[in-house]
Amino acid sequence: DGGITQSPKYLFRKEGQNVTLSCEQNLNHDAMYWYRQDPGQGLRLIYYSQIVNDFQKGDIAEGYSVSREKKESFPLTVTSAQKNPTAFYLCASSIGPMNTEAFFGQGTRLTVV
Amino acid sequence: EDQVTQSPEALRLQEGESSSLNCSYTVSGLRGLFWYRQDPGKGPEFLFTLYSAGEEKEKERLKATLTKKESFLHITAPKPEDSATYLCAVHVRNFGNEKLTFGTGTRLTIIP
Repeated sequence: DGGITQSPKYLFRKEGQNVTLSCEQNLNHDAMYWYRQDPGQGLRLIYYSQIVNDFQKGDIAEGYSVSREKKESFPLTVTSAQKNPTAFYLCASSIGPMNTEAFFGQGTRLTVV
Repeated sequence: EDQVTQSPEALRLQEGESSSLNCSYTVSGLRGLFWYRQDPGKGPEFLFTLYSAGEEKEKERLKATLTKKESFLHITAPKPEDSATYLCAVHVRNFGNEKLTFGTGTRLTIIP
């Protein structure tokens, strides 16, 4: 089945540690995105990539980093510089630009203690 | 600043009781408006894209409409399985910068 897979579903880390969230898609989509979702707030864009080896910052990129070495993969690293990393992280992909239908993964809930 | 506001925040309906959810927006350079459904602890699921005022789309018990300032998601004779949070998002492009802004959602509960 085609889809977008995020792993792990739950992740716990100690404060000060970097952590990498995985996102893989087999939909052959060019564009991929990372969002953060907090209670009472809309999804906020962290980073997006429209083609391999290229990515752009979203609204809240500080404290995060990404890479896009393969079309299928768009990992997100939450660094120790991110002040409030505990959140629900969602990866998405779309076949075309941002104004086309996006498919979302099931999310990773990161808790930093 | 681009803004997307959804109302109400939460809505409880009896099964079969039709209603509408609202998404109002203040943006420049609108290139599309999206509706998504999100179940607890899961990623959003795409429902509709609307590109221009006057456009309407339907899927089962759901119908989305768009004007120049707002979008409505009409739900007709809802069933308990329609319970979810419904998100809207607007895509804008200004001076080459693209942005997708989400509202905070309407949490819909359908009571059997």
